[in-house]
Amino acid sequence: DAKTTQPNSMESNEEEPVHLPCNHSTISGTDYIHWYRQLPSQGPEYVIHGLTSNVNNRMASLAIAEDRKSSTLILHRATLRDAAVYYCILRDPLDPDRGSTLGRLYFGRGTQLTVWP
Amino acid sequence: DAGVIQSPRHEVTEMGQEVTLRCKPISGHNSLFWYRQTMMRGLELLIYFNNNVPIDDSGMPEDRFSAKMPNASFSTLKIQPSEPRDSAVYFCASSPKSSALSYNEQFFGPGTRLTVL
Repeated sequence: DAKTTQPNSMESNEEEPVHLPCNHSTISGTDYIHWYRQLPSQGPEYVIHGLTSNVNNRMASLAIAEDRKSSTLILHRATLRDAAVYYCILRDPLDPDRGSTLGRLYFGRGTQLTVWP
Repeated sequence: DAGVIQSPRHEVTEMGQEVTLRCKPISGHNSLFWYRQTMMRGLELLIYFNNNVPIDDSGMPEDRFSAKMPNASFSTLKIQPSEPRDSAVYFCASSPKSSALSYNEQFFGPGTRLTVL
């Protein structure tokens, strides 16, 4: 499975933008890039995902490099509630006909984001 | 919707005892995942089911661990006999059907914190 590299920790001030980087130099052509986050004492929650084009949703934006070997999760205005561990994950390619690897996610160590008031 | 439900939320047991963790996925979801999270190893996928059938149990640490999904609304993860090194937070997640052309996020439960003395 393709691996990702993220900084162990990052800090931000409240209401400032945050750019969380992720390197995935061994990404395959069919791997999607996913981001999940885990708030303290909770299970992970989905943030965003993309393949080649930049993506936006109500939580964040995902900027994907042209060669797809890196990506950046952008929180436009950090809040205290955004303090969490952020995981960048490459999804195992799916083959529904084989019935295998359906939706597998490989979590790394993630980036611990601290938001200061 | 109540989300993924796990019970118990906390379990303290003695080495050698049998432990059963329970999960109720979100109604209508057809994939179910069991994860384990520790400080040393991070978040690991143990096993996942699709349409109640175990697809990949390669993450199950050893024969002491077993998982079942007798119907679409219930799954168990059993450890027998338990050992102190099994102490961890165990998460259950569910997902609607994914395919090669679309992705459906995984929804995680609140987890069960297991302590084996």
